[in-house]
Amino acid sequence: SQKIEQNSEALNIQEGKTATLTCNYTNYSPAYLQWYRQDPGRGPVFLLLIRENEKEKRKERLKVTFDTTLKQSLFHITASQPADSATYLCALPPSGSARQLTFGSGTQLTVLP
Amino acid sequence: GAVVSQHPSWVICKSGTSVKIECRSLDFQATTMFWYRQFPKQSLMLMATSNEGSKATYEQGVEKDKFLINHASLTLSTLTVTSAHPEDSSFYICSARDAESLATYEQYFGPGTRLTVT
Repeated sequence: SQKIEQNSEALNIQEGKTATLTCNYTNYSPAYLQWYRQDPGRGPVFLLLIRENEKEKRKERLKVTFDTTLKQSLFHITASQPADSATYLCALPPSGSARQLTFGSGTQLTVLP
Repeated sequence: GAVVSQHPSWVICKSGTSVKIECRSLDFQATTMFWYRQFPKQSLMLMATSNEGSKATYEQGVEKDKFLINHASLTLSTLTVTSAHPEDSSFYICSARDAESLATYEQYFGPGTRLTVT
C-alpha cells in the first residue's frame, strides 16, 4: 500500500542554520508533491509544489528537491528564523495526478534563538 | 486572494446532538472541496471529497450517514456531524480547489474547526 514518511517527528535547530526535512514515499509514482506549513490550531498553508519532472524548486528561503528514483523529497529552509517554527507537512496525490492529497505525519520544527 | 473560511472556529456539543460546520471560499469559486479530520499530534486524514451539485465521495472507513456533506454552491460546503459522540472530538479542516487553476494542484485550506463532544 502507499505510504508517506516524514522521518523526523521533531527537529530543533539554531537560528541562522539551514533546516532540512525529509519526505519519503513508497509504492507509487506521484505526478507532484507539495509542502505545507501548519501552525498549532490552524489549517495548513501551501508553500511549494514540485512536479515529477522538476528536480528542484525555490521560493525565497525555501528550497524543495524531488528525487523520483529515491522516492524522496527534501525541504530546506535557509537562514532559519524563530518565526519558521511550525509543523511542516508533505502531501502527495494518492495516485498519479489525483486531485485529493494524502499527507505525511509532519515534522515539528523549532528554531531556537 | 484564495481565502477559505470556516464557521464556527470551535464548538462544544453534547453527546447525541448534531453539529454543522460551514466552509466557504471567499474570493474564488471552488468546484471541489475536501474535508479532513486531524487528531492531536497526527496528520490530516481525508474524510470526503465533494463536488458542487453532486454527492460527496467518502474515504474508506468514513460513515457517510454520520458525516453528512452538502456542497450546494460553488462557495459553500457544509459538514454535519450527526449524533456526535466523544470519539468524534477532533479538528475538522476543509480545503477547496480553485476551479480556474486546476493545473496547479494547489489547495486552499480553511482555519479549521475544533469540535469537542462532551
